[in-house]
Amino acid sequence: AQTVTQSQPEMSVQEAETVTLSCTYDTSESDYYLFWYKQPPSRQMILVIRQEAYKQQNATENRFSVNFQKAAKSFSLKISDSQLGDAAMYFCAYRSGWGGSEKLVFGKGMKLTVNP
Amino acid sequence: NAGVTQTPKFQVLKTGQSMTLQCAQDMNHEYMSWYRQDPGMGLRLIHYSVGAGITDQGEVPNGYNVSRSTTEDFPLRLLSAAPSQTSVYFCASTRGGSGGQARANEQFFGPGTRLTVL
Repeated sequence: AQTVTQSQPEMSVQEAETVTLSCTYDTSESDYYLFWYKQPPSRQMILVIRQEAYKQQNATENRFSVNFQKAAKSFSLKISDSQLGDAAMYFCAYRSGWGGSEKLVFGKGMKLTVNP
Repeated sequence: NAGVTQTPKFQVLKTGQSMTLQCAQDMNHEYMSWYRQDPGMGLRLIHYSVGAGITDQGEVPNGYNVSRSTTEDFPLRLLSAAPSQTSVYFCASTRGGSGGQARANEQFFGPGTRLTVL
């Protein structure tokens, strides 16, 4: 079974600075997809960024980018120019590329605080 | 589109009571799922459905039942509530499909239901 590990339960960053959130995963599959979700205090789950394992190029979405290291099974999220609205819980998630399932396996999450 | 809707937003039950958490989506998504979120545990899959009439168990299915009679609706039933089922419950949906690109499809989440079992 696949597992996702977020080893840092909490982090803080100064507004306008850059922060990197770490995530590692364990799988024997070669085809899979990785996601970062954001959960603000409103509780709504919001997709931040996604990465297909077969793509070597790291995904980017505006201020958000990932560092995908397939051999190391590492999938970190970099937030540049941090804003107060970035304060939230962040979850790393894995989805298999095989079969008919779209099940997501989540890490335990990390709480990000942004200091003004 | 309303997206994924869940009712109720909050619920308090006594041990042994039963209830149904409602979930509906208007995006014609084939795949729907239920997760529970507990502090320090992330989200864990309870049950999922790949289409009307088809359901299967996830990681933590005990104490919960589901059915999928229509594409739009995917209710979650607690037959006899227990304090261990105190949690926040999320319903999610996605287009699904067998192609590789389908696997990258975004899962849309409902706003969640906070359930407390006394």
